[in-house]
Amino acid sequence: QTVVTQEPSLSVSPGGTVTLTCGLTSGSVSTNYYPSWYQQTPGQAPRSLIYSTNSRSSGVPDRFSGSILGNKAALTIAGAQADDESDYYCVLFMGSGIWVFGGGTRLTVL
Amino acid sequence: QVHLVESGGGVVQPGESLRLSCGVSGFTFSRHNMHWVRQAPGKGLEWVAFSDQNNRGTQQYADSVKGRFSGSRDYSKNMLFLQMNSLRPEDTAVYYCVRDSNYGFDVWGQGTTVIVSS
Repeated sequence: QTVVTQEPSLSVSPGGTVTLTCGLTSGSVSTNYYPSWYQQTPGQAPRSLIYSTNSRSSGVPDRFSGSILGNKAALTIAGAQADDESDYYCVLFMGSGIWVFGGGTRLTVL
Repeated sequence: QVHLVESGGGVVQPGESLRLSCGVSGFTFSRHNMHWVRQAPGKGLEWVAFSDQNNRGTQQYADSVKGRFSGSRDYSKNMLFLQMNSLRPEDTAVYYCVRDSNYGFDVWGQGTTVIVSS
């Protein structure tokens, strides 16, 4: 069974840049998986950041960008701010109406 | 404004059933695929079910719920449903109703809590 992988935790300095990745235990992530990214703070519903690899959702600042880096999908946050400290999840479309979330990355801004 | 409002959560014993509902407003329900996503306490997000926008309402399910959960739609009432049977303690979670747009989960409800415990 294919598992979607994410870094369990990452840290970034205020004003810095960090890249979160979303991979597969078997195979490479491509645009065909329509990778998307979500931000979640404690007690809140997730918020959509990026869909279809690199399209920003409404109201998302351009500090957030999505891409394919090597064999993984990537979310890059530039100019990190304190309120970027959150959990971030990717999800991949496996085809035939099946989706799989990654385990999430806890981002610390310090 | 787009709104998704879940209801129907509660506390049940293992083996019992629950039916979750999601009322949608602010958009054309028949033009969007929909999903159920859950989050167990202290855990990550788990995709649970997919409801195709077409009139046949094609459904797909995660392996963890296949054969026990069943999704449906009422287009006349703009409602999405998730019938959950044979509930297990590991089904304990917040269940979110989510709109799909361009292969993104663009709008999320506030969630409804399901607790399965004896």
